[in-house]
Amino acid sequence: AQKVTQAQTEISVVEKEDVTLDCVYETRDTTYYLFWYKQPPSGELVFLIRRNSFDEQNEISGRYSWNFQKSTSSFNFTITASQVVDSAVYFCALSEVSGANSKLTFGKGITLSVRP
Amino acid sequence: DSGVTQTPKHLITATGQRVTLRCSPRSGDLSVYWYQQSLDQGLQFLIQYYNGEERAKGNILERFSAQQFPDLHSELNLSSLELGDSALYFCASSGSGTSLKGAFFGQGTRLTVV
Repeated sequence: AQKVTQAQTEISVVEKEDVTLDCVYETRDTTYYLFWYKQPPSGELVFLIRRNSFDEQNEISGRYSWNFQKSTSSFNFTITASQVVDSAVYFCALSEVSGANSKLTFGKGITLSVRP
Repeated sequence: DSGVTQTPKHLITATGQRVTLRCSPRSGDLSVYWYQQSLDQGLQFLIQYYNGEERAKGNILERFSAQQFPDLHSELNLSSLELGDSALYFCASSGSGTSLKGAFFGQGTRLTVV
């Protein structure tokens, strides 16, 4: 069975601080995808990134960066120079790629509060 | 804008009632997924349809059912509603269904059962 653990439940930082959100996953599949989603107070789920299990290259998109380490089954997300607009709940998710069943298994989410 | 449309955005209904949530997937997407987000259970997969056929089932109650129509829109039917069914219900869609190119979510329907 697949499992995603986001051990941090709430993080509070002051604007311009860097913050890292941790994600650890479990799967028996050799091929899988990892995701991060942002859920702002308005409630929608905003897709941030998808990474497949064969691509361990780190990715940077503006102030966001992701570190995928297969050896430790982790897919951590760092926000550099955080801003108040980054305040949201962040979810890490895992999907298997087996036939047509590609449901997502989500972690419990991390509530990030960025104070001015 | 994810391209996935869910209606209604908000729904308030009484216990014992039945409601229908609607989802229109992104253009060209054949797979539709339904998820429930509640305070105690978090985000949970309910059910997936691919091109009109049920493909996978998660933690979906027997009181809940879904279908996908020929135009690929999907409906989630919730019956005999209980207070505990109050939650945010999301629909997501993706490409061919054989590999998840990216699950894009609608804005959700917030269901309140009173």
